[in-house]
Amino acid sequence: DIQMTQSPSSLSASVGDRVTITCQASQDISNYLNWYQQKPGKAPKLLIYDASNLETGVPSRFSGSGSGTDFTFTISSLQPEDIATYYCQQYDNLPPGYTFGQGTKLEIK
Amino acid sequence: QVTLRESGPALVKPTQTLTLTCTFSGFSLSTSGMCVSWIRQPPGKALEWLARIDWDDDKYYSTSLKTRLTISKDTSKNQVVLTMTNMDPVDTATYYCARGYSYGYYAFDIWGQGTMVTVSS
Repeated sequence: DIQMTQSPSSLSASVGDRVTITCQASQDISNYLNWYQQKPGKAPKLLIYDASNLETGVPSRFSGSGSGTDFTFTISSLQPEDIATYYCQQYDNLPPGYTFGQGTKLEIK
Repeated sequence: QVTLRESGPALVKPTQTLTLTCTFSGFSLSTSGMCVSWIRQPPGKALEWLARIDWDDDKYYSTSLKTRLTISKDTSKNQVVLTMTNMDPVDTATYYCARGYSYGYYAFDIWGQGTMVTVSS
């Protein structure tokens, strides 16, 4: 099974800061990498799909990049409502399966 | 509007079998490319994918849990059912169902609210 290493596990930043989270796959996953935001007590929400595509309705301050094994998720200017835990998720098609990263808990400094 | 809602027991005893139902609306599981997955999250921990059922009734399971899981669908009722045998306290988690696609787009775009299951005697 493909393993996902997400870092950091927690992050404290100020409003307006640029925030970056990384995810590394144990083998090449092309661009089969998605990013989710999860607020306490809520279901995850899809933000970025196929590594770099913004889901409809998601603010443009969120972005993603990468391919192969190394991926980056960025919030260009942190807002108070962005406080949440963020997860990466990969898809493996042989056989079909999905793996999530361990999550990054983002807090306001 | 696409919605999914999980239902099932809040408490199960160790060794029992858990049965969860995902009832959805706004899409059909008979549409080519559609699929529904189950994902769980133990308290304070990360998400874990469990199983997926496709529009054509293909089924896929987590490697680590496949011997305990069965996923099925009732297209006429817009429901997907997950059973997990031999429940253990480590299976205590919030269980989510989510919509996905079997080709071209491998994200979970719509999620249910989740249902918390506690395993305890």
